[in-house]
Amino acid sequence: EPEVTQTPSHQVTQMGQEVILRCVPISNHLYFYWYRQILGQKVEFLVSFYNNEISEKSEIFDDQFSVERPDGSNFTLKIRSTKLEDSAMYFCASSEQAVEQYFGPGTRLTVT
Amino acid sequence: GIQVEQSPPDLILQEGANSTLRCNFSDSVNNLQWFHQNPWGQLINLFYIPSGTKQNGRLSATTVATERYSLLYISSSQTTDSGVYFCAVGNAGNNRKLIWGLGTSLAVNP
Repeated sequence: EPEVTQTPSHQVTQMGQEVILRCVPISNHLYFYWYRQILGQKVEFLVSFYNNEISEKSEIFDDQFSVERPDGSNFTLKIRSTKLEDSAMYFCASSEQAVEQYFGPGTRLTVT
Repeated sequence: GIQVEQSPPDLILQEGANSTLRCNFSDSVNNLQWFHQNPWGQLINLFYIPSGTKQNGRLSATTVATERYSLLYISSSQTTDSGVYFCAVGNAGNNRKLIWGLGTSLAVNP
């Protein structure tokens, strides 16, 4: 069964560094999402992406964040100049028709 | 925006017991999904159920869209069922992003 994959599974970085989180959505899906979950809290929407552009972003998704679909298979989330409060689990999801979403296993980001 | 409330927030069961988890939402939806977050933090997709009833093994779910709630039933619980159960909803008005509840933390004791 097709699945969403994410790399790395765990990333440790120092405050102020840039990180790129990578996702490979399911191949025939057209809608892509990033969500974040700070430890012990609920999952929060960050951004949605369709037709090579951002369709919606939350107030969390400020200028520090960017997304890109550099080729036909990858979907990336870049965080510039990481802060301690960016430590969280980041989930990528994809959807064929913007309804049911399929989630990757997540990347645990630790900022020290 | 849509509000999602889950109850109970915490639940402790003995192995073999049955349980019902509830998700209330404040607006019409065209997407409702139940997830199980395992101890490693992964989100396991249990059901896509914007309406109706589905069953998968010991788990089943029912969504009554007109009354804006969904129920997740766990029968004959096992220790591996432990974790956090999330309900997430979406609709076209919210550009189809998922809005999440706070979850129900389930502990199944042997």
